[in-house]
Formats: sequence, C-alpha cells, structure tokens
Amino acid sequence: DVKVTQSSRYLVKRTGEKVFLECVQDMDHENMFWYRQDPGLGLRLIYFSYDVKMKEKGDIPEGYSVSREKKERFSLILESASTNQTSMYLCASSPTGLSNEKLFFGSGTQLSVL
Amino acid sequence: QKEVEQNSGPLSVPEGAIASLNCTYSDRGSQSFFWYRQYSGKSPELIMFIYSNGDKEDGRFTAQLNKASQYVSLLIRDSQPSDSATYLCAVNDGGSQGNLIFGKGTKLSVKP
Repeated sequence: DVKVTQSSRYLVKRTGEKVFLECVQDMDHENMFWYRQDPGLGLRLIYFSYDVKMKEKGDIPEGYSVSREKKERFSLILESASTNQTSMYLCASSPTGLSNEKLFFGSGTQLSVL
Repeated sequence: QKEVEQNSGPLSVPEGAIASLNCTYSDRGSQSFFWYRQYSGKSPELIMFIYSNGDKEDGRFTAQLNKASQYVSLLIRDSQPSDSATYLCAVNDGGSQGNLIFGKGTKLSVKP
C-alpha cells in the first residue's frame, strides 16, 4: 500500500514563527501536493510538484513556500505563521501516467497558530 | 473560476437504504471524476473513479457520469452505519496541469 507520512499530527505555533511541515511518500511517486482543509471551504491546493526541485503554485500559495530536494520528500514552509493559517494541512502524492490524478493522502497535520 | 458543487447535507438515510450523492461541475474540459470518502478526523481516501459516460459499479458503490449535463453521482446500496462520512467529489482541471478540483463534500449519516 502507498504510504504518505506527515511528520506531525498536531502542531501548535506562535504568530511569526517559521513552521516546517514535512511529508514523505514511499511509493516512488513523481507528483506531490499540499492542501489545506477548512470547514466550509473544502480542500484548497497550496503548492504542487511534478518532479524533484520543481514546484508550482496552486490556488492559495500566499504565505507559503515549498521545497522538494528529494523525490520522496515534499516540505511546506510557513515563513512567518499567522493566525489565519490555522488549518488542517494534507499532503498527497500520485504517480504519473494514466493514474496521475489518483491522490493518496497523508493523515494530516492540524496546525494551530496562536 | 472552475467549480465543483455538492449539497453539504447532512444527508440522512436509514440502514439498508440507497444513499444518493450528487455533484455538478463547471469545466466542460474535465475528463476524470473521483469520489473520496473522509471519516471524521481522518484524511480522504479514494473510493471510486469514472472517466466515461454511464455507470461504473464496484461492490455496493455505483458512480454515474453524464458529461452533457456536467453531473456525476455516487450511489451507495445497502447503506451501513460504517458508510457515515463526508463524501468529496473531485474533478480534474481540464487545463494543462490536470490538478483536481474538490467539492466541499456531502456529509452522509446512516442511521441504524
């Protein structure tokens, strides 16, 4: 089975802190994604990557950056956390080819910014 | 703005009944359609996908697609309390990147 592992299940940070959310997948997938999920707003795409060292902005990239130095690892960075970034963050991966839209999600990180 | 619309629910059905979940989408270029199930406090998991007009059956689940009407649905037969979850409809962006656009989900409650 595909396993997508997010480093923390719950995280509490202070306003202005730099926050790193880590995601690792073990199925050699080329594509990796970061979403946030908020009540009433659904899943929104922050950033995605189709290859090592490659990144593309999603629908809501403001206030975030990403890093993909290795194929299996995709990190989301909040340069200066703000309270409106309190959310559930979900990492996902998918293979290329015909199945490239079938996303496999990690268990999520509930981030609270105080 | 490409959109995927779902009734937020909650949709309540008795155990053993058929649950019908509906979704409409705005992008006529979309070619791939997905249903994800998300239990409370858990992450979404893919349960069905459909690419062609018509019905696709997998066990108790049937996905239905009508591209002309830009409509996709999920039927759950013999609903069980364990089916109680939020169901997310997702549609691929018909643009070059092909990312998924998610609906906000329909919460289903199956009453014993």
